[in-house]
Formats: sequence, structure tokens, C-alpha cells
Amino acid sequence: GAVVSQHPSWVICKSGTSVKIECRSLDFQATTMFWYRQFPKQSLMLMATSNEGSKATYEQGVEKDKFLINHASLTLSTLTVTSAHPEDSSFYICSASSGSRTDTQYFGPGTRLTVL
Amino acid sequence: AQKITQTQPGMFVQEKEAVTLDCTYDTSDQSYGLFWYKQPSSGEMIFLIYQGSYDEQNATEGRYSLNFQKARKSANLVISASQLGDSAMYFCAMRGRMDSSYKLIFGSGTRLLVRP
Repeated sequence: GAVVSQHPSWVICKSGTSVKIECRSLDFQATTMFWYRQFPKQSLMLMATSNEGSKATYEQGVEKDKFLINHASLTLSTLTVTSAHPEDSSFYICSASSGSRTDTQYFGPGTRLTVL
Repeated sequence: AQKITQTQPGMFVQEKEAVTLDCTYDTSDQSYGLFWYKQPSSGEMIFLIYQGSYDEQNATEGRYSLNFQKARKSANLVISASQLGDSAMYFCAMRGRMDSSYKLIFGSGTRLLVRP
């Protein structure tokens, strides 16, 4: 159980275009989803926390107008990178909280974004 | 301040032997959770094991066990009978309360290489 999917697994786009990444909890309802960014050989950096039906909470230094997050249902959250630039190229990974006693976060497989 | 420290950037272990990955943490919270995740080269974050701050016994999950020493604020991961498939990055994380919400704080990770 506790499977999280992410789509697409990789994407290449031109500078200036927007890219949408989907994160789905497949076998549980996730009231909270998280979006992380990971640079090569580094740890995960939390970008934002997303609660179903409410606005996302962004971490300091993360541009909310650039990284649009929507948590439309208990099983789906989306991250849209608007007007992408080469410096936005990174590995984006989402997680969903199971809401159990341990409040474990289960992660999706990640999306590798390359902006040309 | 809440912080996770992993002092071993890289570790080697011989196949079938046991290995300990170190993790220390700093928090002023009385209630917290400690997690270990495995990240293979594919990028997905795989949940391995959880330890609650009030759990009296060390957590175990198959070949994984967590050596929890609360007074020392350490939560080392022990992998028994290492397998080649254990080669990956390992991240220690703590669920901590920051800015009125609970978040995962990650360490910098330890890269484990299992030798045949």
C-alpha cells in the first residue's frame, strides 16, 4: 500500500514554456502533499506544502507565481512550472502523507525537468 | 533549531555483512518522528523505517533496524546481510514542527556501495 505516482517521469521543454507535473496517491487519501526539489548529489529541498482544498504554503525563497500548486482532490496535486528557464532544470519529487499515526510521507518516483 | 546530521558522505560494505549508517538530530520538541529513506539511482525515495520519540523499543523492518539512542539524539540505521541492491543513497529525516506545520527535515545523505 501507500503508492504515489508522478507524471511525467521526465520532460524536456523550451525556455518560456510551462510544464505541469501531476502527483497522485493511488491507494490512500492524502490530505497533505508536499513538493520537493533535488539538485544533483544534494538532499531534498521542500518547496511547498499542499492541503486539499486550500492554498499551498510555500517555503521561504520559493516563488509562488512561478511554481503554481493545486491540490484539487484528496488524491491529486499538481505543480506547474510557469515560464520555465534553464535554471529551473531539476528533479522534482512529490510526497503524500498517509495520515497514519506515524504520518509517514510516501514519495512519488520523481520528475526530471530539463529546460533548453 | 531543528537539524539532521549525517556525517558519512560515503560508505562501503562487503556483501552479506552488516553496516551502520549514522544519523544525529537536534530538536527541542518532546514528540517527533525519525525516518529513513533509500534513494536508488532511479531517484525514487523508498520509505524504510520509522521510529517515534516515545517508542521504547527500537524499530525493525526485515533487514533494517533503527538503533535509537534518545539521550544521545542518534537514530542510526543498521542494515544486516547487505545485498548488492542495497547500493543507494540513504537519507535520515525527522518530522519536526516548523512555522506552525509539520515538515520533514532531511540530512545530507550517505551513499552506500555494497561490494560483491
